[in-house]
Amino acid sequence: SAVISQKPSRDICQRGTSLTIQCQVDSQVTMMFWYRQQPGQSLTLIATANQGSEATYESGFVIDKFPISRPNLTFSTLTVSNMSPEDSSIYLCSVEQGIGDTQYFGPGTRLTVL
Amino acid sequence: TQLLEQSPQFLSIQEGENLTVYCNSSSVFSSLQWYRQEPGEGPVLLVTVVTGGEVKKLKRLTFQFGDARKDSSLHITAAQPGDTGLYLCAGGTGSARQLTFGSGTQLTVLP
Repeated sequence: SAVISQKPSRDICQRGTSLTIQCQVDSQVTMMFWYRQQPGQSLTLIATANQGSEATYESGFVIDKFPISRPNLTFSTLTVSNMSPEDSSIYLCSVEQGIGDTQYFGPGTRLTVL
Repeated sequence: TQLLEQSPQFLSIQEGENLTVYCNSSSVFSSLQWYRQEPGEGPVLLVTVVTGGEVKKLKRLTFQFGDARKDSSLHITAAQPGDTGLYLCAGGTGSARQLTFGSGTQLTVLP
């Protein structure tokens, strides 16, 4: 299975600033996903990122707020822009690999916005 | 919109007890995944099932995919404190290449 790392693991940010989260995979993958999760709750898909094309955003998420880059088959970034306390959450990246629609997840980035 | 209803939402049991977590939908899925997540970590894949009626065993954990591929269950035998965590089911349809996640079951196993 793919090994996925995320940076930073956690951050505390001020309102109005932006944070870019990095996701690195140890193998080439076609599809990468970005999720948001409140502690103890389920995952909400933000967007799907394929290399060489624009990210596809889910309802309620827009590119201006969550711009995504996917420069190659092993790396992606998610930026949380103009942050507010409501953006405080855990942000997870994942990749699709193996049978079915199986996804493997990174360790997550815990974001706190003051 | 496909939905996966997961139950129970919270479960607190004593070490040594058995438990079952359920994942139900009115939609058909081509695959069903179960994950366990511990605080401060990402979800870790436990199993993927793809065939209706399939049963997979992973030590004390037994996973079943319903015959109609609309539901799944996770049974843990003789639970241990190390089983504590958030359990998530997720269904895939193949075509959308995305997963639909259940609401999660927070399991606490008391020593």
